[in-house]
Amino acid sequence: GAVVSQHPSWVICKSGTSVKIECRSLDFQATTMFWYRQFPKQSLMLMATSNEGSKATYEQGVEKDKFLINHASLTLSTLTVTSAHPEDSSFYICSAPGLAGGSSYEQYFGPGTRLTVT
Amino acid sequence: KQEVTQIPAALSVPEGENLVLNCSFTDSAIYNLQWFRQDPGKGLTSLLLIQSSQREQTSGRLNASLDKSSGRSTLYIAASQPGDSATYLCAASASGTYKYIFGTGTRLKVLA
Repeated sequence: GAVVSQHPSWVICKSGTSVKIECRSLDFQATTMFWYRQFPKQSLMLMATSNEGSKATYEQGVEKDKFLINHASLTLSTLTVTSAHPEDSSFYICSAPGLAGGSSYEQYFGPGTRLTVT
Repeated sequence: KQEVTQIPAALSVPEGENLVLNCSFTDSAIYNLQWFRQDPGKGLTSLLLIQSSQREQTSGRLNASLDKSSGRSTLYIAASQPGDSATYLCAASASGTYKYIFGTGTRLKVLA
């Protein structure tokens, strides 16, 4: 099946700094990728849709100036958490739709990035 | 707006039992519904994908069904084992898109 990778797998940063998380589709192209956030003991919440070559679409309540998304190529989307604060500590997961057989699509998920802001 | 809920929120069963996890969604205009497993502190493991034109999918001891008209999916686990202990998440695509809306999850514990 298709593979999506994320880097880094975990990161610790100080409050006020910015952190960049990469999401790559390794063996397929993705014009669209999705970013999710998961707080401890909660489910995944969709943050935004990353669109190759155009602006990302953010879900209601997600600050687009705080969570900068860039999708500069068909295999790479980046999420930058700007001026991070402890409440931004979370598990960030990306996904990309890829062919699952025939003309149907399946969401392939990255392994996630655990961000801790001290 | 798509909303996905899962019942029960938590479940504890003795080893060997057959069990059913439920997932409900509000918008039947889905492309896919997918079941995942998540171990503590880990990412998602895809279990079963059901496309909108399908009624069920099976993999080993797992069987997932989909009823779009009633907005429901069930995950059936046969002969449960302690290794099945994890959180199970269902996700349904939002109306006319491929983005997933996740359910609230069911935390399963299978006792040896």
